[in-house]
Amino acid sequence: NAGVTQTPKFQVLKTGQSMTLQCAQDMNHEYMSWYRQDPGMGLRLIHYSVGAGITDQGEVPNGYNVSRSTTEDFPLRLLSAAPSQTSVYFCASSSSGANTQYFGPGTRLTVL
Amino acid sequence: EDKVVQSPLSLVVHEGDTVTLNCSYEVTNFRSLLWYKQEKKAPTFLFMLTSSGIEKKSGRLSSILDKKELFSILNITATQTGDSAVYLCAVLPGTASKLTFGTGTRLQVTL
Repeated sequence: NAGVTQTPKFQVLKTGQSMTLQCAQDMNHEYMSWYRQDPGMGLRLIHYSVGAGITDQGEVPNGYNVSRSTTEDFPLRLLSAAPSQTSVYFCASSSSGANTQYFGPGTRLTVL
Repeated sequence: EDKVVQSPLSLVVHEGDTVTLNCSYEVTNFRSLLWYKQEKKAPTFLFMLTSSGIEKKSGRLSSILDKKELFSILNITATQTGDSAVYLCAVLPGTASKLTFGTGTRLQVTL
């Protein structure tokens, strides 16, 4: 039982490049979410999903896309990376809405 | 817009001290308040509080909620160096779909 896994752990991009951050969970959780964490800003919700085929925007969705084709996977796509997207990204999942979410280990992204 | 304010932003204590961390909030149709501990990497869940006045306890950590005054405290007694971390407070509205986090309190426990 791996819990929530994220890949890659670290990534460096150039401005304008696109990439996908991967997130998977093996707990059969319906709810999954993506947060970014910046110094002094706490965790901010980017997008979330309450089940396969259903996604919605969080607090800071601009510049990011998500899809949820299976219960297990919830990838986050950066369409055209910008330096403002330099951050640590956490994926989380829960069996009961946004309550008691389990977090993945994070991806540290740097955009030059 | 939901809002969570934590205080202090940071503090340094000596091993064995007792600390109290504060969390005040504004949320539409309150559902629950959650505390997380974040060491080097991912936040880990500590407590979920839904009712006023009922203390949740786990070892040396305890937490209580006051829904009338819209705040919660997290107490840590007999602190240890392993308690050094950022403690995050978050609130969940009635829709249960979006958590709003505070910026956290950074606790450092020294020998």
